[in-house]
Order: sequence, then C-alpha cells, then structure tokens
Amino acid sequence: QVQLVESGGGVVQPGRSLRLSCAASGFTFSSYGMHWVRQAPGKGLEWVAVIWHDGSNKYYVDSVKGRFTISRDNSKSTLYLQMNSLRAEDTAVYFCARSPYSIGWHYFISWGQGALVTVSS
Amino acid sequence: EIVLTQSPGTLSLSPGERATLSCRASQSISSSSLAWYQQKPGQAPRLLIYGASSRATGIPDRFSGSGSGTDFTLTISRLEPEDFAVYYCQQYDKSSAFGPGTKVDIK
Repeated sequence: QVQLVESGGGVVQPGRSLRLSCAASGFTFSSYGMHWVRQAPGKGLEWVAVIWHDGSNKYYVDSVKGRFTISRDNSKSTLYLQMNSLRAEDTAVYFCARSPYSIGWHYFISWGQGALVTVSS
Repeated sequence: EIVLTQSPGTLSLSPGERATLSCRASQSISSSSLAWYQQKPGQAPRLLIYGASSRATGIPDRFSGSGSGTDFTLTISRLEPEDFAVYYCQQYDKSSAFGPGTKVDIK
C-alpha cells in the first residue's frame, strides 16, 4: 500500500536551516507530482510547494519563496524540502502529499503522517 | 489568488443528523477543481471528495459533494460517531489553497 514517511523535523533557531525528507513506497514515485503542505499548531492547512514528477517544474506559496526549495530523487523515491532562513511563523507540522497525476495542479490523494518543525530560540 | 471561505466555523450536531458544510470561492473555480478533506486530531487529512462531487476510494456514500462556480457543498447524510472532525475544502484550479475549515462536533 502507499506509504509516505516524513523525517528530519525538530527544533531549530530562527535564521537556521533544516531539511525534511519524505520516503515513498507502494507506488511508482517517479510518475507523480508531489507536494508539501503544512499546519501550524491549532491552525488550518497551508499548501507550501509542489514539484512535477520529473522535477521540471516547482512552485511555492509566496511566504516561502526564496527560502524553501523542494526537490526529489526518483532513484531513491524520496522527496525533500530544504528550509533556509527559518522564522517563528514556519513552525508547523509538515506533510508530504501525493498528486494523482504527474504534472499540474490537483488534489492530494495520499498523505504522510507529518513532521513537526519548531522554530524557536 | 483564489480565496476560500467555509461556513459555519463550527457545526454542532448529534449522531444520525444531516450535516451541510459550505465552501465559497472568491472567484469561479473552473473544471470543478475542488476537493474536500477530513482531519481528526493528531492525524493527517484524508481525501473525501475531488472534482467537487467524486468520492475518493473507500469513502462511504453518506458523504457527497456538490456545487460549481463559486459555491460548493459537502453533505454528510447521517452522521456516524467517527465523522466528528474538521473538514477542509481545497481549490486546485489556480495554484492550490485551502479553506479555513469547519469543525463538526457532537452536540
């Protein structure tokens, strides 16, 4: 069955960096677009970034542009989110999620369990 | 940028009752590119409805979606105990964005 397992979360000081990983299994990872979605404590869902199946296109929410980078290694079936210049407002649970198609904007058909990132001094 | 609003913020109902949740978009969403998710505390969201009215795999038929343009509705025909949760709508017509959510709690 489809599994998405995030790792790499933790406590980090403002201005520092962190990299999240999402290990995928149970489907052909290289065939699907992948997303990051976050949820601040007690708040709603916020879409963060998407990458097309082959890494050819990447898009971000305005609040993370220039600071976060989404990438993927299809040979390892793994999705990444490099987060630089972290701010307190980036504190959230970060979910990776799978698109039903290889490119384009779509819904999220599968989700990981999430990784908590806490930005605090 | 398409902004979604959901109403009501909280819906207090009893098991067996009908729940009607609304999602309104700031501009028309083409191709009915709207989805609904259920989220329970400490869990990841679960896809319920996509394309405004198509049920995702394994979703019971008491969940139904309708609407087009700017107004969409999620209906739960008879609430089961496991349906008390937060529900989010998401548009994927232009970029991607979620509504603020509707909490369905036990009256």
